[in-house]
Amino acid sequence: DAGVIQSPRHEVTEMGQEVTLRCKPISGHDYLFWYRQTMMRGLELLIYFNNNVPIDDSGMPEDRFSAKMPNASFSTLKIQPSEPRDSAVYFCASSLDRGTYNSPLHFGNGTRLTVT
Amino acid sequence: AQSVAQPEDQVNVAEGNPLTVKCTYSVSGNPYLFWYVQYPNRGLQFLLKYITGDNLVKGSYGFEAEFNKSQTSFHLKKPSALVSDSALYFCAVRATLDTGRRALTFGSGTRLQVQP
Repeated sequence: DAGVIQSPRHEVTEMGQEVTLRCKPISGHDYLFWYRQTMMRGLELLIYFNNNVPIDDSGMPEDRFSAKMPNASFSTLKIQPSEPRDSAVYFCASSLDRGTYNSPLHFGNGTRLTVT
Repeated sequence: AQSVAQPEDQVNVAEGNPLTVKCTYSVSGNPYLFWYVQYPNRGLQFLLKYITGDNLVKGSYGFEAEFNKSQTSFHLKKPSALVSDSALYFCAVRATLDTGRRALTFGSGTRLQVQP
């Protein structure tokens, strides 16, 4: 099992550009989560999916952020346009939970985004 | 609402000594509680969880945690610290019954530094 795979590992872009972060969850997992980590705000949940359907997107900071999960093996988080305050490490995590909400999350190694 | 407090930003302990990383929580009803560890430039890794039953939970790498309902605490412990335990530790909580289907809420993290 390769674990949760995120790409790219690092992304440096200029303000105003579109950024797309990618995630491949562990095969068979039914939940997928996007988190953002910063020194100031810690670990924040942005959005999560169950069986490819978005369940809670209340953590998405603005309309500039959007997330999709077109199939069980792929998800994207898009920021358009990007701003310097979006600089953070973005984590994707997946779990096999079946609605119990007590299964461990498996995290990818994150994408470090720097917006200049 | 559900929340987690990790009152110490950093804990310093000498190798071979016992360690404790503190966590208190607030949730409606009964909680699911988790500890995760994060090493530099990596995603979070699951250590242990409390769902129900025995208040003392044993996890990976010799760690354990004690659930105390009256004090709403879930402190992480290890009898003998190793230098390799130095990392960032996160406590997380979710209500067992949540009609809003909220995901885990993470604490702000505690950096554990084990000195040789």
